[in-house]
Parts: sequence; C-alpha cells; structure tokens
Amino acid sequence: AQSVAQPEDQVNVAEGNPLTVKCTYSVSGNPYLFWYVQYPNRGLQFLLKYITGDNLVKGSYGFEAEFNKSQTSFHLKKPSALVSDSALYFCAVRDSAEPGFQKLVFGTGTRLLVSP
Amino acid sequence: DAGVIQSPRHEVTEMGQEVTLRCKPISGHDYLFWYRQTMMRGLELLIYFNNNVPIDDSGMPEDRFSAKMPNASFSTLKIQPSEPRDSAVYFCASTSRGLAAHEQFFGPGTRLTVL
Repeated sequence: AQSVAQPEDQVNVAEGNPLTVKCTYSVSGNPYLFWYVQYPNRGLQFLLKYITGDNLVKGSYGFEAEFNKSQTSFHLKKPSALVSDSALYFCAVRDSAEPGFQKLVFGTGTRLLVSP
Repeated sequence: DAGVIQSPRHEVTEMGQEVTLRCKPISGHDYLFWYRQTMMRGLELLIYFNNNVPIDDSGMPEDRFSAKMPNASFSTLKIQPSEPRDSAVYFCASTSRGLAAHEQFFGPGTRLTVL
C-alpha cells in the first residue's frame, strides 16, 4: 500500500528566503504526487501535481516541487517566501500500479510559518 | 463551476443530538469523499462513494456515523447521537475518474462543535 511521510511538523523561514517543505513517499508502481495548502478556517486547496514528465513541477502562487525517484521524494519549494504563504501544507500520493481507483493517501501536514 | 459546496459552515449542538452535514460535489464528478480533521488525528478519510454507491466505509468511527448519497449531486453525513469527541472539521471532496491523476477538490468544510 502507498504511504507518504512529512518529517517536519513545522518549518520556519524569514520572508524573502527560500523555503522547502519535505515529503517522501512509498509506492509499488509509479507515483502520482500532490501538494495541497490549507489556510486557516479554509478547505484544502490544490497547489500542484506530478504525474509524469519533467521532474520539476510548477504550481500556484510561485510554488514548485521536485520529483526525485531515487530518493522517493517530492519536496515543495519556493524561491522567496511571503508572510502570506504561512499555512498548513499536505503532501499526498496514489499508486499507479494499484488496480482500479485508489483514494489519495495524505501526509500529516507541515505548518509553514513565514516571519516578516 | 462553484466548486464543492458544504453546509452548514458551522454547527454547534449538544451531546446526544442528531447532526446532519451536507455536500454538493462538483458537477460531473463521480467520486465523493468525506474526511474529518482534528488536531490529534490529522486528516482522516471516513468514507467514499463512486456513482452514488459507498465503496469504502472503513474509516467511519462507529455506528453512530452514517453517510448517504441519494443522487449524483448530494450527499449527507449524519451523526446520531453526537458526542463531544465528534467535534472536528468535516470536509467533503470530489473527483472524477476522467481526471488524469484523480486529484481531489475540497469543500470549505463544516466546523462541528458538540457541547
């Protein structure tokens, strides 16, 4: 069965600095990988996804993520953090090798705090 | 499209009362999911439907919880009787097998407080 891990409960970064939120995954076949963001009192919003192709995926709000098959990672990155990026970030995975439809498996979330 | 719609946005009730949460998925989506989010347990999948049929309800906590999807545009999650430990934010999400990676689209959630 597929699984995903977000090793950091919280990431702190100063505004203007680059940020990285880590995610590692485990699947039998090829992974479909996602990042979602949750702002306070809001639902989860889709940020970006990797299905196939370029290992660097660009998404909303200037975020990007790098798929690394050898390290089974899909870290979320942004070159210059904004205070408004402060939110809860979720990584999710599904396994293309599993037959039929598979539900997404979500990580436990990483809280990003960007200080002014 | 209006996105996934949930109602009510906030619900405060007393222990023992029945609670019904409602969800309207995105038109054309054939999968619907109910999640619960708490500080202690994070985001938990409770149940999901395909073409209005429940496929996996292994995440439903106990018999007090039930979910229905009478048609493609409406689903309910009912808790009867409610208990304080049911206090959480409940999310509904939908997707389609036609989407390449089955990404899910979430509603704004219902914040439930059971006193």
